[in-house]
Amino acid sequence: EVQLLESGGDLVQPGGSLRLSCAASGFTFSTYAMTWVRQAPGKGLEWVSGIWGSTGRTSYADSVKGRFTISRDDSKNTLYLQMNSLRADDTAVYHCAKVQSFAVTDAIDIWGQGTMVSVSA
Amino acid sequence: DIQMTQSPSYLSASVGDRVTITCRASQGVSNYLAWYQQKPGKVPKVLISGASTLHSGVPSRFSGSGSGTDFTLTINSLQPEDVATYYCQRYNSAPPTFGPGTKVDIK
Repeated sequence: EVQLLESGGDLVQPGGSLRLSCAASGFTFSTYAMTWVRQAPGKGLEWVSGIWGSTGRTSYADSVKGRFTISRDDSKNTLYLQMNSLRADDTAVYHCAKVQSFAVTDAIDIWGQGTMVSVSA
Repeated sequence: DIQMTQSPSYLSASVGDRVTITCRASQGVSNYLAWYQQKPGKVPKVLISGASTLHSGVPSRFSGSGSGTDFTLTINSLQPEDVATYYCQRYNSAPPTFGPGTKVDIK
């Protein structure tokens, strides 16, 4: 069974940093692109960042470019999101999601339950 | 940047009705378009990718069509379990983007 388990969400002050992790199982992690998608309370889905399978090429939404860094450790089947210079509008549930191919430019077929990030003084 | 819009933003229909949701891209995205269903309090689930390819396990009352800039998601014979918010997503180029969503309710 394919599973994605996020961790690392927390309450953090504006300007602070946080690192999210996503442990994957049930599929050949290294060959698939992975993404982070967030959903602010009561709002829609926002694609945040993605990383290609095999090449490790990355992509970011303009709203997080320069502040967030996505990475993956294929030896540990784990996806990461390093979030720096956090702002109040980064408050959201962050979902780890598997893309259905090696490329970020494809549909998402598996979603994790998400981890909550709250940015507030 | 390619902008995605959806209409309507909310609709209420009766059980058994045929429901159509429209998604429009500000530029052509070929058929690189997916539809997701998010039930209240749940994680999103993919329904359709490639604009019209139904994913495994998705009921056949769901169908998708379109190419270029205009796409539709159709639910034939709306069921109570279809109450959800539906999102389109274009993925022709990075970064992919979602539409704002359409909330579907039962009248």
